[in-house]
Order: sequence, then C-alpha cells, then structure tokens
Amino acid sequence: SQQGEEDPQALSIQEGENATMNCSYKTSINNLQWYRQNSGRGLVHLILIRSNEREKHSGRLRVTLDTSKKSSSLLITASRAADTASYFCATASNDYKLSFGAGTTVTVRA
Amino acid sequence: NAGVTQTPKFQVLKTGQSMTLQCAQDMNHNSMYWYRQDPGMGLRLIYYSASEGTTDKGEVPNGYNVSRLNKREFSLRLESAAPSQTSVYFCASSEARDRGLWTFGSGTRLTVV
Repeated sequence: SQQGEEDPQALSIQEGENATMNCSYKTSINNLQWYRQNSGRGLVHLILIRSNEREKHSGRLRVTLDTSKKSSSLLITASRAADTASYFCATASNDYKLSFGAGTTVTVRA
Repeated sequence: NAGVTQTPKFQVLKTGQSMTLQCAQDMNHNSMYWYRQDPGMGLRLIYYSASEGTTDKGEVPNGYNVSRLNKREFSLRLESAAPSQTSVYFCASSEARDRGLWTFGSGTRLTVV
C-alpha cells in the first residue's frame, strides 16, 4: 500500500491564483518531498522538508509539515500555465525507500 | 547532461518474452531504485539497491529481478513478461537516505501484448 495520499485528486485554477494540495501519510518519516511530473515526462524534485521542520519556501512554493497530524501541504502562489502538471508527495522513512502518493493533477487555465 | 539515463525509452513485448531495462547514473550516488507507475497509482517501488553489492525487494517485486552491476548501473529484468507488467518504469538514484537528493530518469514505457 502507498504511504502518502494526496488531496484533492485534481485541481483546476485560473492563472494567477494560488494552488494548494495536501498530503497525508501513515508512518513516521525522516523527510517528506514534493515532486512535479509533466505529462509523459519524468519526475522533478521540487522541495524537501525534514521531520524537524515545519515550513519551507522555495521561490513560489511553500511547504508545511505537521508531524502530529502526519500531513503536509504544498502551496503554489501566483500560478502560471507552466505549473500545469501532476504533483506527488513522497515520504522517506529510516530505510532507503521513498514512498509516493497517487498525486494531484493541477490544471492552470489561461 | 549529468543524471540518470534509462534505456530503452519505449518497448513492446509479447507475453512470455524477456527483456532487461538498463539504468545508469553519473552522480556517484550510492543508492539506486526501480519504480513502476500505473495510471492513478503514483509510483511503486519494485527493487532497490542501498549500496553497491546489495539489492532488496520493494513493494511490488514479483515478476522482476535486478542486478547492481557496479556503482553506476542498476538493471531490471523481466524474465517472462505479462500484460500486468505494462507500465512506465522509472529508475532513480540518491546520495543517501537522509539527504533526500533523488534524481529520476525519464522513464521506459513498456507495453506487453
């Protein structure tokens, strides 16, 4: 079974709006990562947040982590058409594995 | 460009045929991984190699074998392909489990008919 579950499954927003997606997981983690995948392409690493961190920023991305609730959120501000993609959260536990959720498909309308 | 290289990019197999997916990384990473991605299911770990000389099963290892040929190369073999193995396969590598710098290849789209 998969560790992470993203919510919502799909999101459609207007260019310039913010996009928020959430990830819940089941077991304790070492870190949580967010990836982007454009249609038919590989995964691109966006941001990593460690279990002892609560918030992290990278450009237009903001990630939060609440280990007590076993959840994380990814906020993309001022969205652009190029942000249209699938976004996956992935959790790294104290082994060598990275476990992925099913992803959120984001569509940014011009 | 530096990164993870997978070959082939596309492959069609008949049921029962065998093939090997190749993966190579040039970042001197210790750990390498094979995932499969099916529609609506995200990525699932097939096998991984924490370091050269070691391999371990992931979430969905049945029907696959792997070889960590050296530090750079990690291959995935399908001995007798089945339609259920139709998927997109991704290879990845990382420096260490807690550094989180994972790099993915561009994928191999495999169809088994």
